[in-house]
Order: sequence, then structure tokens, then C-alpha cells
Amino acid sequence: GAVVSQHPSWVICKSGTSVKIECRSLDFQATTMFWYRQFPKQSLMLMATSNEGSKATYEQGVEKDKFLINHASLTLSTLTVTSAHPEDSSFYICSARRSSGGALETQYFGPGTRLLVL
Amino acid sequence: GENVEQHPSTLSVQEGDSAVIKCTYSDSASNYFPWYKQELGKGPQLIIDIRSNVGEKKDQRIAVTLNKTAKHFSLHITETQPEDSAVYFCAADAGFQKLVFGTGTRLLVSP
Repeated sequence: GAVVSQHPSWVICKSGTSVKIECRSLDFQATTMFWYRQFPKQSLMLMATSNEGSKATYEQGVEKDKFLINHASLTLSTLTVTSAHPEDSSFYICSARRSSGGALETQYFGPGTRLLVL
Repeated sequence: GENVEQHPSTLSVQEGDSAVIKCTYSDSASNYFPWYKQELGKGPQLIIDIRSNVGEKKDQRIAVTLNKTAKHFSLHITETQPEDSAVYFCAADAGFQKLVFGTGTRLLVSP
């Protein structure tokens, strides 16, 4: 299998605080992980591509200082929403690609993290 | 860049009927086309994918067809069941290992 976990599954925080979301590939190594944001009843919007050991590549319009991404190992990437505001409330989903041993194009998604900023 | 369009946005069928969801893409260089199923409050789950060297792929009740000339691909679900109710997304690879997603189809299977 190809299992991806996220933690926490949901978080409620006060405006101005920072929130860290973890994405782990449990049974495979992932050189590349992706972070998406999804609004209700909408499609997935790619925020950034995270490569192990290097800086993340952000999509146009995504503030890199607002959404800090760290990919410190082949099984873990983190997304930190800094100084969160109500407009950052959303469903954040990560995905991971295998480094080897199977279809390299396939992205396996985590269960998502629902963030609510009050 | 790649652009993916998906139709219909909603689809209601009776249990046992077939369901077909269609997607078109713009970049002829795309070679990988996955389909994901997303249930409410959960992450997308890969259900089937197809690569450009194949015209059709089947996995039990699910099949995907690809027409590279016309740049469209379709998901076919036969003998639908209530548990098939979900939002389905098509996607196409867009270079640098990224995927571009369609807008989603909400499938409702009524018992």
C-alpha cells in the first residue's frame, strides 16, 4: 500500500497564532510531497511542491512567508501557517510521490487537516 | 500550462445504473491521467489511472478510456452502488510531477 497520514486532522486556533501540520508517508519514501488547499465544494488548489532537503517551490500567489514548508526527511513534510487569520480557514491536504518501487507519477493523498481560525 | 475541464458537475443515477464522467485536457504533452474519489471530509483516494500508451484500463466496475488525439478521457462506473456516492476528480500531469485537477463531479447514487 501507500499510506499517507496527516496530523492533526482538525485544529481550531485564535487569530494571530501559528499552526503546524504534519504529513507523513508511512510505508514508503517520498522525495516529493505536495501541499494543497481546498475550499468547500471546490477542487484542489496546489500551494507548493516540497522536495526533501531543499526549499519548497510555491505556486503563484501563495505567500511563502505565510505558509512555511519543511521537508526534513523522506517521510515527513510540515506546513506551518504563520500568524493565521480567519481567511486561512480551509481544508489542507498533502500528497506524496514514491521515490522508487512503483509508479513514480502517482500522488497518494493524506486524509486532510481542517483548520478553523477564530 | 495544462488546463483540465470536467463534466458534469453533478450526476444522479439509480443504483445499478452506469455513470460516466468526462474530462478534457489542453496540453498534448500530458501522459498520466489519474482519477480520485473524495468522500466528505476526507482526502482524495486514487481509484484508477491511465498512461498515454494505453487506450483503456479496467478494474472491476471501474474503467477509464483515453483518447489522446481528441485530448479527452472518461471514467466509467458500472452497476453503481450507494457507496459510490462521492466527489470524483480527474487530473492530468502538468510537468515537474505536478497534477492539474478538474473541477470535480458530485455523484449521487440513489437506492
